[in-house]
Amino acid sequence: GNSVTQMEGPVTLSEEAFLTINCTYTATGYPSLFWYVQYPGEGLQLLLKATKADDKGSNKGFEATYRKETTSFHLEKGSVQVSDSAVYFCALMNQAGTALIFGKGTTLSVSS
Amino acid sequence: EAQVTQNPRYLITVTGKKLTVTCSQNMNHEYMSWYRQDPGLGLRQIYYSMNVEVTDKGDVPEGYKVSRKEKRNFPLILESPSPNQTSLYFCASSSGTSVSIPVQQYFGPGTRLTVT
Repeated sequence: GNSVTQMEGPVTLSEEAFLTINCTYTATGYPSLFWYVQYPGEGLQLLLKATKADDKGSNKGFEATYRKETTSFHLEKGSVQVSDSAVYFCALMNQAGTALIFGKGTTLSVSS
Repeated sequence: EAQVTQNPRYLITVTGKKLTVTCSQNMNHEYMSWYRQDPGLGLRQIYYSMNVEVTDKGDVPEGYKVSRKEKRNFPLILESPSPNQTSLYFCASSSGTSVSIPVQQYFGPGTRLTVT
């Protein structure tokens, strides 16, 4: 079946540090992949997405590349800000297109 | 403003007392869905609806009901809530479903439910 595995948190960084949050997936075929972000007290927002192998999604300085050979979609940012503190979810779309399959989420805390 | 709204945002109730969490979207979206979020488990889909009068089970439908009588509304019904349904619930909507061209899902702000 489909599943998404993300690195355990929390991740604690200083402002301007480099961020990597690992995400790997198991799925039939080549699903579309997503990163969602949840700020404190809010719903989920789409951060970026990729639909096929070698696609790079990017938004707000965050990037992730769809790696078919390693079934991975790691999230990176070169210089994090305090405002990036949030919970980040990696997800894939199921084959029928009817559901997102989420990882457990990774809490990022950035201090100044 | 395009949005998905949920009510109530917070609810504390007792075991067995029927409740409904409402979800409404103003984007004329065909697809709507309910997820629950639990610590260490991420989000899991409860039910989804492809259009009016068309609903189907997600991964964790036990103990829940839904209805889709109007395109904009997709209420989640707990006929007899139990403590294991204490969770954070999110409604989501999108303009359709496609495997090859992912359509963005818009999430509501969440409803935190506590069942004692």
